[in-house]
Amino acid sequence: DTAVSQTPKYLVTQMGNDKSIKCEQNLGHDTMYWYKQDSKKFLKIMFSYNNKELIINETVPNRFSPKSPDKAHLNLHINSLELGDSAVYFCASSSAGAQANEKLFFGSGTQLSVL
Amino acid sequence: SQKIEQNSEALNIQEGKTATLTCNYTNYSPAYLQWYRQDPGRGPVFLLLIRENEKEKRKERLKVTFDTTLKQSLFHITASQPADSATYLCALDSWGKFQFGAGTQVVVTP
Repeated sequence: DTAVSQTPKYLVTQMGNDKSIKCEQNLGHDTMYWYKQDSKKFLKIMFSYNNKELIINETVPNRFSPKSPDKAHLNLHINSLELGDSAVYFCASSSAGAQANEKLFFGSGTQLSVL
Repeated sequence: SQKIEQNSEALNIQEGKTATLTCNYTNYSPAYLQWYRQDPGRGPVFLLLIRENEKEKRKERLKVTFDTTLKQSLFHITASQPADSATYLCALDSWGKFQFGAGTQVVVTP
């Protein structure tokens, strides 16, 4: 069983559309994250949730809205997609809070292409 | 501003040799430093964690050093194999957020 699974794997859409990416983890972890990896391969944290509560909210346009229905799921909804949103989005989880001694478990990524 | 720097150029190495990667950081005071491996089309996979009071950590053919004075970590892959070909990322903690370097690609040729 995949520990952190996200869908879809690929997402191609037009500018202005609204789309969602789903993430689920079966590790029993309390904390989940969304990261964005741009074309230069930098992984940047976007959001962190601990047990359904928003912990970290980086400087991300408010077109991006995370939703955590329970601690095993963290979805990412993006409104009014722009060309610059094209990137690979990774979901991740860790057993406790976003602490430096906690290792992250990543999903396989969603490659978003905005045309 | 905070920076994590890893060699942007790919490291090409012959099978059996030791690959050495660097991770330099500025304006961080990390208590821990982590290394991850990322294969194309996949998410990063955790490899090793080293604490600030540890000089060196080993796991099988991997070795990590952490010098808080130099603000640098070195990542070594000994007896490298073609299967070690991947991108390797270092990550630091900053106020509860994991910050990643851009990674260094390693290519091991037979």
